[in-house]
Amino acid sequence: NAGVTQTPKFQVLKTGQSMTLQCAQDMNHNSMYWYRQDPGMGLRLIYYSASEGTTDKGEVPNGYNVSRLNKREFSLRLESAAPSQTSVYFCASSGETGYTDTQYFGPGTRLTVL
Amino acid sequence: QKEVEQDPGPLSVPEGAIVSLNCTYSNSAFQYFMWYRQYSRKGPELLMYTYSSGNKEDGRFTAQVDKSSKYISLFIRDSQPSDSATYLCATSISNFGNEKLTFGTGTRLTIIP
Repeated sequence: NAGVTQTPKFQVLKTGQSMTLQCAQDMNHNSMYWYRQDPGMGLRLIYYSASEGTTDKGEVPNGYNVSRLNKREFSLRLESAAPSQTSVYFCASSGETGYTDTQYFGPGTRLTVL
Repeated sequence: QKEVEQDPGPLSVPEGAIVSLNCTYSNSAFQYFMWYRQYSRKGPELLMYTYSSGNKEDGRFTAQVDKSSKYISLFIRDSQPSDSATYLCATSISNFGNEKLTFGTGTRLTIIP
């Protein structure tokens, strides 16, 4: 049981390049989330998916797109990376309806945009 | 104004001391309160969860919520070097599986041996 996995662990991009961050969970969770974490700003929600086939914007969605590929996988895409997107990105998932929203986090992807 | 405010620290205390970590929040609709612990270069992990006002104890950790003053606390007794981490408070309105969490910015704690 690996929990939440993320790839890659580290990435350096040049301004304007694109990339996709991958996330997968093996806990059969319905909901999945993408956050970014910046010093002094805490965790901010980018997008979330309450269930397979649905996605919604969070607090800071501009410059990002997401795909809920199936129940296990939720990807985050940067179409044209900007230095302001330098951050640590965390994927999380949470479980059954009616249960406390314990979110389980992946190990993070450290992204630098030059 | 952020919905959840948390002193970023850093906070350094000697081993064995009692640690008090705190958050305030502004939205009276928040009913569920959590503390996450994040070790350096790792993802956050759930440490404590409470519903509405009151205390909850788990070993050396006690979570306290005062809804009347919109104040959340985490106490760590007999602190250990392994408790050195960033602690994030989080809140939500409901406990349905897809409810979004609102996080504080985190307090960095160091326990000095």
